[in-house]
Amino acid sequence: IAGITQAPTSQILAAGRRMTLRCTQDMRHNAMYWYRQDLGLGLRLIHYSNTAGTTGKGEVPDGYSVSRANTDDFPLTLASAVPSQTSVYFCASSAQGGNGELFFGEGSRLTVL
Amino acid sequence: GQNIDQPTEMTATEGAIVQINCTYQTSGFNGLFWYQQHAGEAPTFLSYNVLDGLEEKGRFSSFLSRSKGYSYLLLKELQMKDSASYLCAVTDSNYQLIWGAGTKLIIKP
Repeated sequence: IAGITQAPTSQILAAGRRMTLRCTQDMRHNAMYWYRQDLGLGLRLIHYSNTAGTTGKGEVPDGYSVSRANTDDFPLTLASAVPSQTSVYFCASSAQGGNGELFFGEGSRLTVL
Repeated sequence: GQNIDQPTEMTATEGAIVQINCTYQTSGFNGLFWYQQHAGEAPTFLSYNVLDGLEEKGRFSSFLSRSKGYSYLLLKELQMKDSASYLCAVTDSNYQLIWGAGTKLIIKP
């Protein structure tokens, strides 16, 4: 049973470096999401994709970009990492979009120094 | 603005009952979710309410009152493994999920 796989699980990164967090799902879900989770704050949506070939901006998109070339993969790229991007990043997918249960990956803990 | 409020932390005793409240103010409403998140792990789905009333699922129940913008999650027969954060989330009129900051539940023996 795979579900959603994220990589890497943890990474320390120097400020200014480019970083791509990978996310792959095997459930054939149309909708996919990237969230960041910071202590004391709720999950905040970075970017989303309702179906392959389309993406949209969430609540906190600045400094991040995504692509959705196919149904299974939804990578998140930090073009030039900054310390404020230190966070835990969760990828999620849903069969029914905003009204459906979200399935989360195990998370990627990113530290930007 | 859109807002979801839940208590930051609650403490309960093993074997007891605890109620975690969630109040929301959103632009429209298309459903309310509860997720459980153990420390260092991903959130997992617990319940979904779209109509008023109580939904029961084993030891967990979730209640919704749309007119009051209010929900609660009721956990019965608490076990140590129930120690986790409980996240309330509401789907707004644009079908975007708005998340609360979560309630950390501490279970004491």
